[in-house]
Amino acid sequence: EDQVTQSPEALRLQEGESSSLNCSYTVSGLRGLFWYRQDPGKGPEFLFTLYSAGEEKEKERLKATLTKKESFLHITAPKPEDSATYLCAVQAGYGGATNKLIFGTGTLLAVQP
Amino acid sequence: EAGVTQSPTHLIKTRGQQATLRCSPISGHTSVYWYQQALGLGLQFLLWYDEGEERNRGNFPPRFSGRQFPNYSSELNVNALELEDSALYLCASSLVGLVSNQPQHFGDGTRLSIL
Repeated sequence: EDQVTQSPEALRLQEGESSSLNCSYTVSGLRGLFWYRQDPGKGPEFLFTLYSAGEEKEKERLKATLTKKESFLHITAPKPEDSATYLCAVQAGYGGATNKLIFGTGTLLAVQP
Repeated sequence: EAGVTQSPTHLIKTRGQQATLRCSPISGHTSVYWYQQALGLGLQFLLWYDEGEERNRGNFPPRFSGRQFPNYSSELNVNALELEDSALYLCASSLVGLVSNQPQHFGDGTRLSIL
């Protein structure tokens, strides 16, 4: 069964303290891995798509990487406004019948000033 | 460019009633997806519509249904509401639905509360 696991469940950082969030997955035929940010009371906001092992994407203080079994979201010198829940999702299988995203339960990040 | 819009923002119903939730995708997107986010649980896939057709559904009972209109907007209907249907219902849209790994862009959801 396709599965996505995120760790840690919650992470508290001091402003400027860099760290990484983990997303491990077991799927049959990865078509894409997606990172989202979700603020309280809002829908997930798209951050990155990664398609193949070795790929990296960057946006401001965030950098996402992908291996054959997991993805990391690296946060460099975070600021309080980076506080949110970060969600990882995979799209797996072949053919158009499997466009659904399989989500992990997220990492709740709190950045203290 | 307007994002995905959902209405209503909040909906309060009682057990046994029916609920209708609405979604307008990003202009140019033909695929619409519905997800349920219950408290403490991750997002669970409900339904996928593309070009007016239901393409895939998740592990939910048949009382969860929907449709997509010619303008690509969509509605989700939940019949015979149960207490455990209380959740945030999120709609997403993407470009080129079939054989696609395009990112899905989400609205801010409808909070459905069952009393």
